[in-house]
Amino acid sequence: SQKIEQNSEALNIQEGKTATLTCNYTNYSPAYLQWYRQDPGRGPVFLLLIRENEKEKRKERLKVTFDTTLKQSLFHITASQPADSATYLCALDGTGGSYIPTFGRGTSLIVHP
Amino acid sequence: GAVVSQHPSRVICKSGTSVKIECRSLDFQATTMFWYRQFPKQSLMLMATSNEGSKATYEQGVEKDKFLINHASLTLSTLTVTSAHPEDSSFYICSASSSGQPQHFGDGTRLSIL
Repeated sequence: SQKIEQNSEALNIQEGKTATLTCNYTNYSPAYLQWYRQDPGRGPVFLLLIRENEKEKRKERLKVTFDTTLKQSLFHITASQPADSATYLCALDGTGGSYIPTFGRGTSLIVHP
Repeated sequence: GAVVSQHPSRVICKSGTSVKIECRSLDFQATTMFWYRQFPKQSLMLMATSNEGSKATYEQGVEKDKFLINHASLTLSTLTVTSAHPEDSSFYICSASSSGQPQHFGDGTRLSIL
């Protein structure tokens, strides 16, 4: 069955550095992949969507890459700030053309001032 | 941007009580609404998908008689946890989507059953 893996350990970085989060998947070929941010006790907030035919997508300080050969997406936050501290979830679209995404467990990012 | 309002944000009640959670899309018409459950440090687990005017589609292992979903309009869906028990305590999150667009999430409801 399809599986999504995100680092379960929190990522701790210093303010100003680039944070890089990883999303790996197996047994699956998604048409697109999404990244969301979730703060404690809140619902996820949509950040970026990247399609299978796109290698890279940017939005302000955010950059997402999508390597369908490696079955991996990288999520980068440049010039990170303490306000970027949150859990970041990746989600793959459903199988068989379904639009219902499957979410990873998320990786917690902590940016230290 | 698209806004989804979910309430209540927190419910504490006694075992055996039925609890209703509302999910509204405030500035767009949602063709589909989703209900998720999330345990601490776990991923979002999809419970059911509902389209306006039709019966919800439940994921395997989710009891439809326990978790009643009504999607009466393009802007409102409700989840009723019937005869709730302590094991139903969790964080419930709804999301709404219009065709081909990413989901927009509510802020969740923390349900605690004593």
